[in-house]
Amino acid sequence: QKEVEQDPGPLSVPEGAIVSLNCTYSNSAFQYFMWYRQYSRKGPELLMYTYSSGNKEDGRFTAQVDKSSKYISLFIRDSQPSDSATYLCALGRGNTPLVFGKGTRLSVIA
Amino acid sequence: DTAVSQTPKYLVTQMGNDKSIKCEQNLGHDTMYWYKQDSKKFLKIMFSYNNKELIINETVPNRFSPKSPDKAHLNLHINSLELGDSAVYFCASSQAQGREQYFGPGTRLTVT
Repeated sequence: QKEVEQDPGPLSVPEGAIVSLNCTYSNSAFQYFMWYRQYSRKGPELLMYTYSSGNKEDGRFTAQVDKSSKYISLFIRDSQPSDSATYLCALGRGNTPLVFGKGTRLSVIA
Repeated sequence: DTAVSQTPKYLVTQMGNDKSIKCEQNLGHDTMYWYKQDSKKFLKIMFSYNNKELIINETVPNRFSPKSPDKAHLNLHINSLELGDSAVYFCASSQAQGREQYFGPGTRLTVT
């Protein structure tokens, strides 16, 4: 079983839709949970990070962590064409490198 | 004010050549990384440095040699370039391993 699983998509939604992006993980030792957004031909950009279970909101974005189910989500409300990108989850534990998901490609259609 | 910068942005070169990519971060972070992103967009860690010391060296051909002259800089030298080295190389930095990382814009390497 891979440490982090993320559906690669592609995911295509109409503008204004609520988008749900998810990752599951197998190692309960993960303590840090992040989401990155990567536009085509750009570097990954840190979107959100959280260190605990529960929800964290930032504008139209909500990161959710459920440690008991080993499941993390990123919700995008009122999605815009400018949200079209690849979204990567990343998980960290202790003094070891981050483990990245393979990324989900999202297209928001106007 | 760019946090993590890389040069060059594009590199086109022939097989067998030697090339270097430079990275600098102005975030005051202790840890820096090199990643390779292939055509399928998967990010694969190559090296990790903490305070100028190599702490991770994933299974990477020894044609790749990182060098960290100081905490803010991490360079990547590649000898005898091969077609399979064509990819985008990202530099990143973080306060510590396992914590959120900040990425550079990438260097797109094409080996012909």
